[in-house]
Amino acid sequence: DAGVTQSPTHLIKTRGQQVTLRCSPKSGHDTVSWYQQALGQGPQFIFQYYEEEERQRGNFPDRFSGHQFPNYSSELNVNALLLGDSALYLCASSNRAGKNIQYFGAGTRLSVL
Amino acid sequence: TQLLEQSPQFLSIQEGENLTVYCNSSSVFSSLQWYRQEPGEGPVLLVTVVTGGEVKKLKRLTFQFGDARKDSSLHITAAQPGDTGLYLCAGENTGNQFYFGTGTSLTVIP
Repeated sequence: DAGVTQSPTHLIKTRGQQVTLRCSPKSGHDTVSWYQQALGQGPQFIFQYYEEEERQRGNFPDRFSGHQFPNYSSELNVNALLLGDSALYLCASSNRAGKNIQYFGAGTRLSVL
Repeated sequence: TQLLEQSPQFLSIQEGENLTVYCNSSSVFSSLQWYRQEPGEGPVLLVTVVTGGEVKKLKRLTFQFGDARKDSSLHITAAQPGDTGLYLCAGENTGNQFYFGTGTSLTVIP
């Protein structure tokens, strides 16, 4: 049973560029949440997708957008990258009908130069 | 914003010692989770506590949820080098949104 998988593992971009990160949830999970984790800090909630719609959003600008596909996989898009967007981006999946326990992927390390 | 403060931020102890990590908030949570994260990896769930006053044990780890469901603690007995990592607490609000704590970086020296 594959867990949560994220791609790519590492990414280097320059300021002003756009990036797309991908996430495949754990089998049987229908909800995907995205987090940003700066070095030495706890993850910060970006948004959550369920039934292909954004259900909740944290305190992040509109440059951060997402999408969920019919197979429950998800993408995180960040436009007009800033140096401060450099972080580990984590995807977590859960089952809305279950105990809402989250399982995390290994993350995508984004470096903005 | 629902903030979770963890203390201490950093902890370095000798193998065999005991330790306690605290997670405090002014907000009430419907559940609270503890995770351990190793470098280059995502957080791995250790336990979920739901009921105020609940105590759960996982081998040498003991987790407690405060009576008012605003705080929690993690106690490790006889720490081992394999316990080294970043310990994170996360509170779940009624909207199924999770707020993470600031993290406690633990180093256990052999």
